Amino acid sequence: GAVVSQHPSWVICKSGTSVKIECRSLDFQATTMFWYRQFPKQSLMLMATSNEGSKATYEQGVEKDKFLINHASLTLSTLTVTSAHPEDSSFYICSARSETSLYTQYFGPGTRLTVL
Amino acid sequence: DAKTTQPPSMDCAEGRAANLPCNHSTISGNEYVYWYRQIHSQGPQYIIHGLKNNETNEMASLIITEDRKSSTLILPHATLRDTAVYYCIVRVAGYNQGGKLIFGQGTELSVKP
Repeated sequence: GAVVSQHPSWVICKSGTSVKIECRSLDFQATTMFWYRQFPKQSLMLMATSNEGSKATYEQGVEKDKFLINHASLTLSTLTVTSAHPEDSSFYICSARSETSLYTQYFGPGTRLTVL
Repeated sequence: DAKTTQPPSMDCAEGRAANLPCNHSTISGNEYVYWYRQIHSQGPQYIIHGLKNNETNEMASLIITEDRKSSTLILPHATLRDTAVYYCIVRVAGYNQGGKLIFGQGTELSVKP
């Protein structure tokens, strides 16, 4: 139980294009999902909290117009990196919070984004 | 959420118990201790969590001191596949508490044959 998937697992795009990453909770409903970013040799940094049916809450320093988050259903949240640049290349990881087990977060496998 | 302190790295022999310490001296009464691990290039994996009692599951045991200022994650029989970065995080549980997980640098555990 408590499986979270992400798609795609890796993506390469040209500078200036937009990339959409999907995060799905496969066997539970998640009213809240989270998006993290991880650069090489660094820890995970929380980007935003995604709430089903409402606007995402972004952490300080994260551009909400660049990283668009949509949480349209209880099992799906998407992160769109708009007008991507090489400095956006990173490992993007989502998590979904289970409403059982004291709202433990379960993580997806991550998406490796490379912007050329 | 309370800050945690972990050693940056540890080694463990395969088949032996791995004991990973974590200090959380400013933990509040309603904060839980969570442990996750991240194997290279994968998303973090939930291991275990607890409030004040010791906890055990199929993956590990969590020992929390009586004053709750520190804890130890125990992998009873470490294998090579347990090589990963282990994160100790304290946070308030419950829907209305926000639920953010703030990751520190963790402990890089290397299990050696």
